[in-house]
Amino acid sequence: AQSVTQPDIHITVSEGASLELRCNYSYGATPYLFWYVQSPGQGLQLLLKYFSGDTLVQGIKGFEAEFKRSQSSFNLRKPSVHWSDAAEYFCAVSTGGGNKLTFGTGTQLKVEL
Amino acid sequence: GAVVSQHPSWVICKSGTSVKIECRSLDFQATTMFWYRQFPKQSLMLMATSNEGSKATYEQGVEKDKFLINHASLTLSTLTVTSAHPEDSSFYICSARKGVNQPQHFGDGTRLSIL
Repeated sequence: AQSVTQPDIHITVSEGASLELRCNYSYGATPYLFWYVQSPGQGLQLLLKYFSGDTLVQGIKGFEAEFKRSQSSFNLRKPSVHWSDAAEYFCAVSTGGGNKLTFGTGTQLKVEL
Repeated sequence: GAVVSQHPSWVICKSGTSVKIECRSLDFQATTMFWYRQFPKQSLMLMATSNEGSKATYEQGVEKDKFLINHASLTLSTLTVTSAHPEDSSFYICSARKGVNQPQHFGDGTRLSIL
């Protein structure tokens, strides 16, 4: 069975600083990988996904993620964080693009002004 | 776009009552919808996968008689929490996908509080 690990429960960055959220997965075959963001009391918004092809994926809101098969990682990055980026971020893996998702435990991002 | 609407967003009810939550795909047809449960400050746990016109597939440990799922059309799935008790209080989120190998799009969730 697949699994996802997000090592950082909380991260605090200053506005304008760069951001990297870590995600490691475990799956025997080629994974389908996702990053979602959740604001308090709301559902999840898809930031980006990796299915195949170019391992550097661009998403919405200036986010990008890089799939590294050798490290079983799919880290999320943003060069300059905005205060509105404060939220909970979830990495997820699936056995197929639309199949059921297995989520990591999430990383709470706090942005200091 | 791919908009998923969930209703109600918040419900409070007495113990023993049944509560129905609706999940609608507003601008696309969804052959498959998913229901998740999220406890405070925790991740999402898949409860069941709902396919239009067929019975839902429940994850291990989820009581199918407790959480009734109906997916009667390509744009609507419902989750009914029967005889709800305080331990059923949680945040319930649905998602829908346009088709195979399409990502899931999530609703805004329903906060259920059982008194």
